[in-house]
Amino acid sequence: KNEVEQSPQNLTAQEGEFITINCSYSVGISALHWLQQHPGGGIVSLFMLSSGKKKHGRLIATINIQEKHSSLHITASHPRDSAVYICAGDNTDKLIFGTGTRLQVFP
Amino acid sequence: DAGITQSPRHKVTETGTPVTLRCHQTENHRYMYWYRQDPGHGLRLIHYSYGVKDTDKGEVSDGYSVSRSKTEDFLLTLESATSSQTSVYFCAIRTGTGSYNEQFFGPGTRLTVL
Repeated sequence: KNEVEQSPQNLTAQEGEFITINCSYSVGISALHWLQQHPGGGIVSLFMLSSGKKKHGRLIATINIQEKHSSLHITASHPRDSAVYICAGDNTDKLIFGTGTRLQVFP
Repeated sequence: DAGITQSPRHKVTETGTPVTLRCHQTENHRYMYWYRQDPGHGLRLIHYSYGVKDTDKGEVSDGYSVSRSKTEDFLLTLESATSSQTSVYFCAIRTGTGSYNEQFFGPGTRLTVL
């Protein structure tokens, strides 16, 4: 069992839909990172959070420390949101990565 | 992008040849990382460095070595490349201290070992 698990692995949506990607972790972490990778592209940091909720544009990230669970929400999804979304737990000096969620948003 | 560059960006090599990948940063961050990314496995840590000449192994370090002789450069060497090392390699730096930090990634190096 991976220490950081994401669901779903693949997700398709129609433009405009509300999207949720989930991340659960079984190890102690000081923070949870959400990353985005477009096809053939680099990896971009979206959020780092250790409690509560953060919002950036149409993206919202939440974390529940007691339940060891985080969610990434995308409101009013758009085809340009199509990417792989990766969560990672911050464990001392290192990140522990989930395997990613591939999102495709169709017009 | 936190001033991170990787070179080369693409490389094709033959089995058994040595390969060195370079990661360069311009902001004097203490921590640097090398990852590989493969379908079905996600990002996996190869080696990381927490200072000049200070390095440690990650989960997939076999067949790789690293060196950091100055703060800005972190080199990853495949002493004798194998086809299983065909992958996309990402370098990253960690900013901040303590429990608040972010990781910024380089653009990646696509390595093909024939």
